[in-house]
Amino acid sequence: NAGVTQTPKFRVLKTGQSMTLLCAQDMNHEYMYWYRQDPGMGLRLIHYSVGEGTTAKGEVPDGYNVSRLKKQNFLLGLESAAPSQTSVYFCASSYSAGGTFSYNEQFFGPGTRLTVL
Amino acid sequence: GQQLNQSPQSMFIQEGEDVSMNCTSSSIFNTWLWYKQDPGEGPVLLIALYKAGELTSNGRLTAQFGITRKDSFLNISASIPSDVGIYFCAAPKTGTASKLTFGTGTRLQVTL
Repeated sequence: NAGVTQTPKFRVLKTGQSMTLLCAQDMNHEYMYWYRQDPGMGLRLIHYSVGEGTTAKGEVPDGYNVSRLKKQNFLLGLESAAPSQTSVYFCASSYSAGGTFSYNEQFFGPGTRLTVL
Repeated sequence: GQQLNQSPQSMFIQEGEDVSMNCTSSSIFNTWLWYKQDPGEGPVLLIALYKAGELTSNGRLTAQFGITRKDSFLNISASIPSDVGIYFCAAPKTGTASKLTFGTGTRLQVTL
């Protein structure tokens, strides 16, 4: 199993450009999450999804949109990138019915390093 | 509120030494999680705790769920160079079982 994968690994954007980050998981998890990590600030939740076709806002959702059209994929979109969105973005997933891990035990991808100039 | 305060923020230790770090909050939690993040990688779950007073080990790592439910502790015995990284505590936000609050991390560096 690959676990949680993220593409791309690195990206540089100019202010105002748009892009989509892709997260895929092969663990049949119900829940998926997008976080951003900034120096000294830990991980902050942007958006999350508790099932295919559902999404919800986290603590820092402004400037981002998400979609969960398939259970295994969770997309994070930046419609008009700003320098304040320079960060490392992590996707995570959790909870498989009948699995051995609880819904709180989140598994993370390797991250996408985004720079907005 | 539900902020998690980790200490120390960073530490330098010599190989072979034992390490202790903690995570505290003014809020009560029913679950505590400890993650490790290697440089350039995503966080990896180390230990999950579900019961006040619980002590759980994973190899050289031991974590405890504080009796007050407002804190948790992580100990690493006989540190080795690959223990380098950032250690995060995390706990579910009150009112929802699927959203985690993360601490700001303890950065561990090991000298030979």
